Amino acid sequence: EDQVTQSPEALRLQEGESSSLNCSYTVSGLRGLFWYRQDPGKGPEFLFTLYSAGEEKEKERLKATLTKKESFLHITAPKPEDSATYLCAVGGATGKLIFGQGTTLQVKP
Amino acid sequence: EAGVVQSPRYKIIEKKQPVAFWCNPISGHNTLYWYRQNLGQGPELLIRYENEEAVDDSQLPKDRFSAERLKGVDSTLKIQPAELGDSAVYLCASSLGDRGTSSYEQYFGPGTRLTVT
Repeated sequence: EDQVTQSPEALRLQEGESSSLNCSYTVSGLRGLFWYRQDPGKGPEFLFTLYSAGEEKEKERLKATLTKKESFLHITAPKPEDSATYLCAVGGATGKLIFGQGTTLQVKP
Repeated sequence: EAGVVQSPRYKIIEKKQPVAFWCNPISGHNTLYWYRQNLGQGPELLIRYENEEAVDDSQLPKDRFSAERLKGVDSTLKIQPAELGDSAVYLCASSLGDRGTSSYEQYFGPGTRLTVT
């Protein structure tokens, strides 16, 4: 059964304090691992897709990496506007996305 | 380019009443998804359409939920009758093409927050 677990559930950082969010997964036939950002009262906003182990993608202060068992979302020198819930999802042979429960990030000025 | 449009944004109904949600996907996206998101959880797929065909509705509670996608564009999700446990955010998403691979990025609408009292 495809499964995604994110940790930690919540993370509080000071502005400028770099950290990483973890996404552990098991999937039959990985077709893609997706990172989304979700602000309160809004739908998830697409950030990255990773397709194979060793792949990395960057966008501003965010960098996503992928291994065969997990993905990390690294946040470098975060700002208060980076505060949001970050969702990880895997797409496998079943043809559907399985989401984790998310990590809620709060960045204090 | 306009994103995924959903309406209404909020809905409060009493249990046993019917409710309907509407979604207009991104132009040119032939795959449409309906998800349910409970508080503090990630979205869970209810149904996936390829054009007007429902290709995965295994998670849709068919005794009270129904969906349609006429002409392969807009879609409607209906609940009748609603139960207290149906309170959640209902999200619509679309992608360029799925073909069973889940390899295409999905773009989400703002969701409809349903409260059943």
